[in-house]
Amino acid sequence: DAKTTQPNSMESNEEEPVHLPCNHSTISGTDYIHWYRQLPSQGPEYVIHGLTSNVNNRMASLAIAEDRKSSTLILHRATLRDAAVYYCILRGDTDKLIFGTGTRLQVFP
Amino acid sequence: DAGVIQSPRHEVTEMGQEVTLRCKPISGHNSLFWYRQTMMRGLELLIYFNNNVPIDDSGMPEDRFSAKMPNASFSTLKIQPSEPRDSAVYFCASTKTGTNSPLHFGNGTRLTVT
Repeated sequence: DAKTTQPNSMESNEEEPVHLPCNHSTISGTDYIHWYRQLPSQGPEYVIHGLTSNVNNRMASLAIAEDRKSSTLILHRATLRDAAVYYCILRGDTDKLIFGTGTRLQVFP
Repeated sequence: DAGVIQSPRHEVTEMGQEVTLRCKPISGHNSLFWYRQTMMRGLELLIYFNNNVPIDDSGMPEDRFSAKMPNASFSTLKIQPSEPRDSAVYFCASTKTGTNSPLHFGNGTRLTVT
């Protein structure tokens, strides 16, 4: 499975935008880029995914570099409830997800 | 939709005892996954099933661990005998195969082996 690299932690203030980066230089042509987050004491939850084009949903936006070697998860206005560990995962031909260490996002009031 | 249901939420047992964790996937999902999470090792995939058949069990730590899926609506993860190092949060997840659909996770079972 191709690997991803994320910063260990990031900080934000409430109501500010947050850009969470992810590097995946060994991504293959069929790998989808998935983002999940894990709130304290809960299981991971799906945030967004994409292949080549940028994607938007009610939770976040995903910006994918033209060469697909990196991507950025964008939270447009962080809230305290967005404090979580965010995982960037490459999903290939199988259904399984292999989690890395993720980015721990702290949001300050 | 009740989501993925895991039981029990918490389990405390003594070393050497058998432990059985249970999972009910979302109706209509045909892939099921068992994960384990610890501070040291993060989230690890233990095993996953497709249409009730184990597809990849390479993450199962050792023979003390076994998983079954007797039907589409139920799976178990058994540890026998349990050891203190098995203490972790165990998550079950399900999805529809081959559609790039998201995985839906349960709330986990926190296992403590003393």
